[in-house]
Amino acid sequence: DSGVTQTPKHLITATGQRVTLRCSPRSGDLSVYWYQQSLDQGLQFLIQYYNGEERAKGNILERFSAQQFPDLHSELNLSSLELGDSALYFCASSELLAGGFADTQYFGPGTRLTVL
Amino acid sequence: SQQGEEDPQALSIQEGENATMNCSYKTSINNLQWYRQNSGRGLVHLILIRSNEREKHSGRLRVTLDTSKKSSSLLITASRAADTASYFCATEKSRLIRSEKLVFGKGTKLTVNP
Repeated sequence: DSGVTQTPKHLITATGQRVTLRCSPRSGDLSVYWYQQSLDQGLQFLIQYYNGEERAKGNILERFSAQQFPDLHSELNLSSLELGDSALYFCASSELLAGGFADTQYFGPGTRLTVL
Repeated sequence: SQQGEEDPQALSIQEGENATMNCSYKTSINNLQWYRQNSGRGLVHLILIRSNEREKHSGRLRVTLDTSKKSSSLLITASRAADTASYFCATEKSRLIRSEKLVFGKGTKLTVNP
């Protein structure tokens, strides 16, 4: 158990809909990362938040957005869903080491999104 | 695009044998990490090796890093059926401003037969 929790575990929805995935980081971790894992694209970094602010952006579509709240939990919002958005969505968290850098990321169990 | 590329894509061995997986990457890195993923489950961090390290051990795991060849290897000794999983290398690129994002390879699927 990594200490990172994600809800829900599974989500089945229809094209055009909007969903929200939730992540609670490990206690004390200020950084949260979102990744998407699909069969054809592999594991792709989407976005990172640090202490409530966006820190890095990856291959995140404009239809997707995220935020990190004052209690450090994060939500990933996916809208106007398409069949191709079906994937495993992982959240990870990390602590801040000396020098202001983070290293090991601890992953949650993921949310499996199926768009029909 | 993938930074790390694992080799082989799939590996099948007998219990008790050693398993070696390789990872190659393209740009300078701060560190390289290996993760394990059981089918459809979350990723479990195995080991991190920094760019100034050449070898690291953790239990039955041994990781090497050759920055001149931009490659790393993960050795699992005395494999067990429970080691059956996909193994990914992930790199954090070296850059002026660190973003800490990890770039993953496509993974090696390891099957350990009892």
